[in-house]
Amino acid sequence: GENVEQHPSTLSVQEGDSAVIKCTYSDSASNYFPWYKQELGKRPQLIIDIRSNVGEKKDQRIAVTLNKTAKHFSLHITETQPEDSAVYFCAADSWGKFQFGAGTQVVVTP
Amino acid sequence: DADVTQTPRNRITKTGKRIMLECSQTKGHDRMYWYRQDPGLGLRLIYYSFDVKDINKGEISDGYSVSRQAQAKFSLSLESAIPNQTALYFCATSGGASVFFGPGTRLTVL
Repeated sequence: GENVEQHPSTLSVQEGDSAVIKCTYSDSASNYFPWYKQELGKRPQLIIDIRSNVGEKKDQRIAVTLNKTAKHFSLHITETQPEDSAVYFCAADSWGKFQFGAGTQVVVTP
Repeated sequence: DADVTQTPRNRITKTGKRIMLECSQTKGHDRMYWYRQDPGLGLRLIYYSFDVKDINKGEISDGYSVSRQAQAKFSLSLESAIPNQTALYFCATSGGASVFFGPGTRLTVL
């Protein structure tokens, strides 16, 4: 079955700097890779996603890249702001079965 | 998202008790999931269902059972609760793309 690894587990950045979170997956059949943001006490919410036929996708300050050959994908947040502080999860969809990474706690300090 | 609801939102129970967590959705999605969230372990898949007659085990199904009563309803049962089942439980749905989460049920087993 699919196995998703996510790094780092915690990430502290200065406001205005960039943050990068990396994930790897094992199942070559996985073809859809969403990213979720979970604020304290709330449910995970989808922030961006990418399909396997696309190498990069950008939405304002957030971008995701995918390297199918190496089986890894990354989330990039530029110009970080305090409201970006949260736990971020990557996921891989293999035949409708979503497997999630362990999460990255991002702390943006003013 | 009021489209995915979970009851109860919080529950404290004792070891050995049977407990049911319920999930309802108005999104019209066929796919429904139960995840468990523990600190540092991310979101782990317990069971998933692609339609009323299709139930599949996830990575941590031992000690749990599910029932898909209708397209809109998917319940999770703990037959005999134990303390290490203390966690935050999320129901989720999918229409074939990304996953949408319910608000979560915080379960404590004493």
